[in-house]
Amino acid sequence: NAGVTQTPKFQVLKTGQSMTLQCAQDMNHNSMYWYRQDPGMGLRLIYYSASEGTTDKGEVPNGYNVSRLNKREFSLRLESAAPSQTSVYFCASRYLADSLDTQYFGPGTRLTVL
Amino acid sequence: GQQLNQSPQSMFIQEGEDVSMNCTSSSIFNTWLWYKQDPGEGPVLLIALYKAGELTSNGRLTAQFGITRKDSFLNISASIPSDVGIYFCAGPANAGGTSYGKLTFGQGTILTVHP
Repeated sequence: NAGVTQTPKFQVLKTGQSMTLQCAQDMNHNSMYWYRQDPGMGLRLIYYSASEGTTDKGEVPNGYNVSRLNKREFSLRLESAAPSQTSVYFCASRYLADSLDTQYFGPGTRLTVL
Repeated sequence: GQQLNQSPQSMFIQEGEDVSMNCTSSSIFNTWLWYKQDPGEGPVLLIALYKAGELTSNGRLTAQFGITRKDSFLNISASIPSDVGIYFCAGPANAGGTSYGKLTFGQGTILTVHP
Protein backbone atom coordinates (compact mmCIF):
# COMPACT_ATOMS: atom_id res chain seq x y z
CA ASN A 1 0.00 0.00 0.00
CA ALA A 2 2.01 2.98 -1.30
CA GLY A 3 -0.54 5.73 -0.48
CA VAL A 4 -0.11 8.72 -2.79
CA THR A 5 2.76 8.58 -5.27
CA GLN A 6 4.05 11.38 -7.51
CA THR A 7 6.43 11.45 -10.45
CA PRO A 8 8.86 12.93 -11.12
CA LYS A 9 10.44 14.05 -7.83
CA PHE A 10 12.46 16.80 -9.50
CA GLN A 11 12.17 18.57 -12.84
CA VAL A 12 13.88 21.51 -14.51
CA LEU A 13 12.15 23.13 -17.48
CA LYS A 14 12.90 26.02 -19.76
CA THR A 15 10.32 28.75 -20.19
CA GLY A 16 7.72 27.65 -22.71
CA GLN A 17 8.26 23.92 -22.31
CA SER A 18 5.40 21.66 -21.33
CA MET A 19 5.21 18.77 -18.93
CA THR A 20 2.79 16.59 -17.02
CA LEU A 21 3.05 15.78 -13.34
CA GLN A 22 1.70 12.38 -12.47
CA CYS A 23 -0.14 11.37 -9.33
CA ALA A 24 -1.68 8.07 -8.27
CA GLN A 25 -3.33 6.81 -5.10
CA ASP A 26 -4.07 3.23 -4.14
CA MET A 27 -6.48 3.93 -1.27
CA ASN A 28 -9.68 3.93 -3.38
CA HIS A 29 -10.34 7.57 -2.49
CA ASN A 30 -12.89 9.49 -4.53
CA SER A 31 -11.49 13.01 -4.30
CA MET A 32 -8.02 14.18 -5.33
CA TYR A 33 -6.25 17.55 -5.28
CA TRP A 34 -3.27 19.42 -6.67
CA TYR A 35 -1.53 22.08 -4.57
CA ARG A 36 1.49 24.27 -5.01
CA GLN A 37 3.70 25.30 -2.12
CA ASP A 38 5.68 28.52 -2.17
CA PRO A 39 7.77 29.94 0.70
CA GLY A 40 5.65 31.81 3.22
CA MET A 41 2.39 31.04 1.43
CA GLY A 42 1.38 27.64 2.67
CA LEU A 43 -0.32 25.29 0.21
CA ARG A 44 -2.64 26.72 -2.40
CA LEU A 45 -5.18 24.63 -4.27
CA ILE A 46 -4.70 24.55 -8.04
CA TYR A 47 -7.36 22.05 -9.15
CA TYR A 48 -9.36 19.30 -7.59
CA SER A 49 -11.42 16.32 -8.64
CA ALA A 50 -14.36 15.52 -6.40
CA SER A 51 -14.88 12.18 -8.10
CA GLU A 52 -13.82 10.24 -11.16
CA GLY A 53 -14.87 12.12 -14.27
CA THR A 54 -15.07 15.56 -12.66
CA THR A 55 -12.52 18.32 -12.22
CA ASP A 56 -12.80 21.89 -11.01
CA LYS A 57 -10.66 24.96 -10.44
CA GLY A 58 -9.15 25.83 -7.13
CA GLU A 59 -7.58 29.05 -5.92
CA VAL A 60 -4.74 29.35 -8.46
CA PRO A 61 -5.67 27.46 -11.67
CA ASN A 62 -4.20 29.78 -14.31
CA GLY A 63 -1.52 28.14 -16.45
CA TYR A 64 -2.53 24.60 -15.50
CA ASN A 65 -4.80 21.84 -16.73
CA VAL A 66 -5.73 18.55 -15.12
CA SER A 67 -7.01 15.13 -16.10
CA ARG A 68 -8.69 12.61 -13.85
CA LEU A 69 -7.71 9.58 -15.88
CA ASN A 70 -9.47 7.09 -13.62
CA LYS A 71 -10.20 6.76 -9.92
CA ARG A 72 -6.51 6.22 -9.11
CA GLU A 73 -4.79 8.83 -11.27
CA PHE A 74 -4.94 12.62 -11.40
CA SER A 75 -2.40 14.44 -13.56
CA LEU A 76 -1.42 18.11 -13.72
CA ARG A 77 -0.21 19.64 -16.97
CA LEU A 78 1.75 22.79 -17.61
CA GLU A 79 1.27 23.65 -21.28
CA SER A 80 3.79 26.50 -21.45
CA ALA A 81 5.87 26.73 -18.31
CA ALA A 82 6.73 30.13 -16.83
CA PRO A 83 9.27 31.05 -14.11
CA SER A 84 6.34 31.94 -11.84
CA GLN A 85 5.42 28.25 -11.84
CA THR A 86 8.65 27.34 -10.07
CA SER A 87 7.32 25.66 -6.96
CA VAL A 88 6.82 22.41 -5.11
CA TYR A 89 3.70 20.59 -6.26
CA PHE A 90 1.76 18.23 -4.04
CA CYS A 91 -0.98 15.82 -4.92
CA ALA A 92 -3.41 14.67 -2.23
CA SER A 93 -6.43 12.42 -1.86
CA ARG A 94 -9.30 12.69 0.56
CA TYR A 95 -9.92 10.23 3.36
CA LEU A 96 -13.47 10.42 4.65
CA ALA A 97 -14.69 7.92 7.23
CA ASP A 98 -16.64 8.16 10.47
CA SER A 99 -15.76 11.52 11.98
CA LEU A 100 -12.43 11.99 10.20
CA ASP A 101 -12.20 14.08 7.01
CA THR A 102 -8.65 14.77 5.96
CA GLN A 103 -6.18 14.48 3.11
CA TYR A 104 -3.17 12.27 2.47
CA PHE A 105 -0.32 13.90 0.57
CA GLY A 106 2.28 12.59 -1.84
CA PRO A 107 5.99 13.39 -1.46
CA GLY A 108 5.90 16.29 -3.92
CA THR A 109 7.48 17.31 -7.23
CA ARG A 110 10.07 20.06 -7.11
CA LEU A 111 9.83 22.06 -10.33
CA THR A 112 12.19 24.77 -11.49
CA VAL A 113 11.39 26.82 -14.58
CA LEU A 114 14.34 28.73 -16.01
CA GLY B 1 -11.61 32.62 -0.01
CA GLN B 2 -10.95 32.17 3.66
CA GLN B 3 -7.53 32.95 5.04
CA LEU B 4 -5.70 31.45 7.96
CA ASN B 5 -2.95 33.34 9.72
CA GLN B 6 -0.33 31.39 11.60
CA SER B 7 2.14 32.71 14.12
CA PRO B 8 4.94 32.76 14.66
CA GLN B 9 6.33 32.38 11.14
CA SER B 10 9.44 30.65 12.51
CA MET B 11 10.86 29.47 15.79
CA PHE B 12 14.37 28.55 16.89
CA ILE B 13 14.41 26.60 20.14
CA GLN B 14 16.65 24.38 22.22
CA GLU B 15 15.97 20.70 22.57
CA GLY B 16 13.75 20.08 25.58
CA GLU B 17 11.86 23.36 25.36
CA ASP B 18 8.09 23.56 24.92
CA VAL B 19 6.65 25.13 21.77
CA SER B 20 3.40 26.99 21.17
CA MET B 21 1.96 28.17 17.88
CA ASN B 22 -1.45 29.36 16.82
CA CYS B 23 -3.71 29.88 13.88
CA THR B 24 -6.46 32.47 13.48
CA SER B 25 -9.21 33.07 10.97
CA SER B 26 -11.58 35.92 10.23
CA SER B 27 -14.32 33.33 9.67
CA ILE B 28 -15.77 30.62 11.86
CA PHE B 29 -14.44 27.13 11.24
CA ASN B 30 -16.09 23.89 12.23
CA THR B 31 -12.94 21.85 11.72
CA TRP B 32 -9.29 22.50 12.45
CA LEU B 33 -6.49 20.28 11.19
CA TRP B 34 -2.80 20.41 12.10
CA TYR B 35 -0.23 18.98 9.70
CA LYS B 36 3.54 18.58 9.90
CA GLN B 37 5.82 18.64 6.89
CA ASP B 38 9.24 17.07 7.28
CA PRO B 39 11.98 18.46 5.04
CA GLY B 40 11.56 17.11 1.50
CA GLU B 41 8.27 15.38 2.25
CA GLY B 42 4.55 16.03 1.97
CA PRO B 43 2.42 17.17 4.93
CA VAL B 44 1.20 14.53 7.36
CA LEU B 45 -1.85 14.93 9.59
CA LEU B 46 -1.02 15.31 13.29
CA ILE B 47 -4.32 16.18 14.94
CA ALA B 48 -7.91 16.82 13.83
CA LEU B 49 -10.34 18.93 15.89
CA TYR B 50 -14.10 19.02 15.31
CA LYS B 51 -15.68 20.74 18.31
CA ALA B 52 -15.24 24.17 19.87
CA GLY B 53 -13.24 23.90 23.08
CA GLU B 54 -11.94 20.44 22.17
CA LEU B 55 -8.49 19.60 23.48
CA THR B 56 -6.77 16.66 21.79
CA SER B 57 -3.36 15.10 22.35
CA ASN B 58 -1.10 12.98 20.20
CA GLY B 59 1.97 12.02 22.21
CA ARG B 60 3.84 15.21 23.06
CA LEU B 61 1.52 17.26 20.87
CA THR B 62 -1.64 18.93 22.14
CA ALA B 63 -4.04 20.98 20.04
CA GLN B 64 -7.06 23.02 21.01
CA PHE B 65 -10.09 24.21 19.06
CA GLY B 66 -10.72 27.77 20.22
CA ILE B 67 -14.03 28.63 21.88
CA THR B 68 -14.71 31.40 19.36
CA ARG B 69 -14.18 28.83 16.52
CA LYS B 70 -11.87 31.36 14.92
CA ASP B 71 -8.62 30.04 16.28
CA SER B 72 -6.65 26.96 17.17
CA PHE B 73 -3.46 26.26 19.07
CA LEU B 74 -0.76 23.61 18.85
CA ASN B 75 1.67 22.89 21.66
CA ILE B 76 4.69 20.60 21.58
CA SER B 77 6.20 19.61 24.89
CA ALA B 78 9.83 18.67 25.50
CA SER B 79 10.91 19.21 21.90
CA ILE B 80 13.37 16.85 20.23
CA PRO B 81 15.44 17.26 17.05
CA SER B 82 12.97 15.25 14.94
CA ASP B 83 10.28 17.87 15.65
CA VAL B 84 12.02 20.02 13.02
CA GLY B 85 9.77 20.87 10.10
CA ILE B 86 6.93 23.10 9.01
CA TYR B 87 3.65 22.99 10.91
CA PHE B 88 0.48 23.95 9.07
CA CYS B 89 -3.01 24.58 10.28
CA ALA B 90 -5.84 23.93 7.85
CA GLY B 91 -9.59 24.14 7.71
CA PRO B 92 -12.46 23.72 5.26
CA ALA B 93 -12.19 26.05 2.28
CA ASN B 94 -15.85 27.01 2.69
CA ALA B 95 -17.25 28.15 6.01
CA GLY B 96 -19.37 25.55 7.75
CA GLY B 97 -18.58 22.65 5.44
CA THR B 98 -15.83 20.76 3.68
CA SER B 99 -17.15 21.35 0.15
CA TYR B 100 -15.63 18.29 -1.57
CA GLY B 101 -12.94 18.19 1.08
CA LYS B 102 -11.21 21.34 -0.10
CA LEU B 103 -8.89 22.78 2.50
CA THR B 104 -7.36 26.17 3.08
CA PHE B 105 -3.94 26.27 4.74
CA GLY B 106 -2.09 28.71 6.94
CA GLN B 107 1.32 29.97 5.86
CA GLY B 108 3.10 27.56 8.16
CA THR B 109 5.39 27.83 11.19
CA ILE B 110 8.97 26.72 10.56
CA LEU B 111 10.41 25.01 13.62
CA THR B 112 14.13 24.56 14.17
CA VAL B 113 15.34 22.60 17.19
CA HIS B 114 18.96 22.95 18.31
CA PRO B 115 20.40 19.88 20.05
